[in-house]
Amino acid sequence: KAGVTQTPRYLIKTRGQQVTLSCSPISGHRSVSWYQQTPGQGLQFLFEYFSETQRNKGNFPGRFSGRQFSNSRSEMNVSTLELGDSALYLCASSLTGINSPLHFGNGTRLTVT
Amino acid sequence: GENVEQHPSTLSVQEGDSAVIKCTYSDSASNYFPWYKQELGKGPQLIIDIRSNVGEKKDQRIAVTLNKTAKHFSLHITETQPEDSAVYFCAASRGTSYDKVIFGPGTSLSVIP
Repeated sequence: KAGVTQTPRYLIKTRGQQVTLSCSPISGHRSVSWYQQTPGQGLQFLFEYFSETQRNKGNFPGRFSGRQFSNSRSEMNVSTLELGDSALYLCASSLTGINSPLHFGNGTRLTVT
Repeated sequence: GENVEQHPSTLSVQEGDSAVIKCTYSDSASNYFPWYKQELGKGPQLIIDIRSNVGEKKDQRIAVTLNKTAKHFSLHITETQPEDSAVYFCAASRGTSYDKVIFGPGTSLSVIP
């Protein structure tokens, strides 16, 4: 079975721009969740989508948004980028949700200059 | 808010020795506790998990113990090998559909050959 695929692997953006990250889950997994990983704050939960509906959300500003398509693929969007948004963004898929084993992709490294 | 503490932040052991990492959670409603291993340049990978109705779980050289009363759980790795070197994260979630997962800050384990 193919694993979780995230594209692109690396992104460099300028402050004020917006960015869209993509995540393809493991086939059959209906839950996709997103995380921000930084040296200072560690791994932080952004939000979870299940069957195209946002089911839960972490403590991030509204500039961070996402969506899920009918094939379970998910996108995350960050608008009006700030320097502090530089991070590794990870997505994970699971069969039933974030309270079950998460299968992570290798992440998208976003650098904001 | 909910919090997961993890100790130690760094751990260095000789090959063949045991390693123990401890986590403490604050939300008494948490009932799912996974452990993830993250190697350089990769996303976290689930190595073992435990639910609150179980006190201990073992998978070959890896075991996890849970003390619900004290609200802490531990990862035990026996007969460590150089390939065990990585960052390990504990996590806690409530095990309901509408919640979020909280990660510990991570432990960098180095196994010295």
